[in-house]
Amino acid sequence: AQRVTQPEKLLSVFKGAPVELKCNYSYSGSPELFWYVQYSRQRLQLLLRHISRESIKGFTADLNKGETSFHLKKPFAQEEDSAMYYCALKAGTASKLTFGTGTRLQVTL
Amino acid sequence: KAGVTQTPRYLIKTRGQQVTLSCSPISGHRSVSWYQQTPGQGLQFLFEYFSETQRNKGNFPGRFSGRQFSNSRSEMNVSTLELGDSALYLCASSRGGEETQYFGPGTRLLVL
Repeated sequence: AQRVTQPEKLLSVFKGAPVELKCNYSYSGSPELFWYVQYSRQRLQLLLRHISRESIKGFTADLNKGETSFHLKKPFAQEEDSAMYYCALKAGTASKLTFGTGTRLQVTL
Repeated sequence: KAGVTQTPRYLIKTRGQQVTLSCSPISGHRSVSWYQQTPGQGLQFLFEYFSETQRNKGNFPGRFSGRQFSNSRSEMNVSTLELGDSALYLCASSRGGEETQYFGPGTRLLVL
């Protein structure tokens, strides 16, 4: 069975500081990893997926199969980045997403 | 393009009752997945429907069921409600299930 772990419930950083939201997974096959974000009073939306290898809103994430990690990074945090971030794993061709418990990012001035 | 819509947005029921939630996917999307979100368990997969057939199922009791219509709209039913069923129920749609899933705003169910 697959599992996603986000060790931090809350991450508080100052504006302009680097951000790293941690995500570790366990899955015996080749997973597809995602980061979803939920801003206040908005629906859950896709931030990025590892297969596209793109940067969205300045965020990047690299899949490290050796460390089974998919940490989300941004060099300079902005106030508008404050939100709930969920790491998710999709196993094989099934559409089921396995989510981590989420990390609340709080960017303060 | 209109996003995923869910109705109703809020619902209050009492223990023992049953409830039906509805989800309308993005036009052209044939896969609809349902998730339960609670503070204690987080986001958990309930089931997925594709072309009117249940294709995947999570680890929930048989009280949780669903169906999908020919227009891809989906309904989820919970029978004999328990206090622990209080949660935000999210649905997500995608073209075929393998692509990006787009989430609806959710239906918040409170069981008293």
